[in-house]
Amino acid sequence: AQSVTQLGSHVSVSEGALVLLRCNYSSSVPPYLFWYVQYPNQGLQLLLKYTTGATLVKGINGFEAEFKKSETSFHLTKPSAHMSDAAEYFCAVNLQIGGQGGKLIFGQGTELSVKP
Amino acid sequence: DTGVSQNPRHKITKRGQNVTFRCDPISEHNRLYWYRQTLGQGPEFLTYFQNEAQLEKSRLLSDRFSAERPKGSFSTLEIQRTEQGDSAMYLCASSLYWAGVGNTEAFFGQGTRLTVV
Repeated sequence: AQSVTQLGSHVSVSEGALVLLRCNYSSSVPPYLFWYVQYPNQGLQLLLKYTTGATLVKGINGFEAEFKKSETSFHLTKPSAHMSDAAEYFCAVNLQIGGQGGKLIFGQGTELSVKP
Repeated sequence: DTGVSQNPRHKITKRGQNVTFRCDPISEHNRLYWYRQTLGQGPEFLTYFQNEAQLEKSRLLSDRFSAERPKGSFSTLEIQRTEQGDSAMYLCASSLYWAGVGNTEAFFGQGTRLTVV
């Protein structure tokens, strides 16, 4: 079965420090991978996505992620945390089986706290 | 276009009552998805439509849940005889699908938070 695992339900960093949020997936077919951010009582906003091609993808707000097939990972990073980055982050996989798949399977989320 | 719109944003209902939520997708998007998110969890897929056709339903979607997209535009999600366990955020998303190409990414609405008391 396909699944997404986010390691660490809560990550706390100091402002200006490196942000690293971990995501591993399990899939029997080539996945499309996504990171979404959710602020309190809001919907999800797409940060970045990997479909095909370059394995290092850049997203909004200075975030980037690297697809590593051998490690089945898609970790999210940002060189320098900002207070406004405090939010819940979700990794998700979209199964493109035969081009028909459109639903997302989400990890449980990682809450990022940024200390001044 | 203002994105995916969901109404109401909040709903409090008594156990046993029926509730209906509405989702208006991005106008040119032909796919529409419903997800449920409980506190501290990631969203869980419920169902999705391509135009007016409901293509897949999760096992999470019990007989008390029904979703429609009658004209291929807005969608409604109805929960009959609500239970306290139905309390959650219900998220709607939409995307554009081309045969042979696949989907664009999904854009999410702000959700409807349901509280069953």
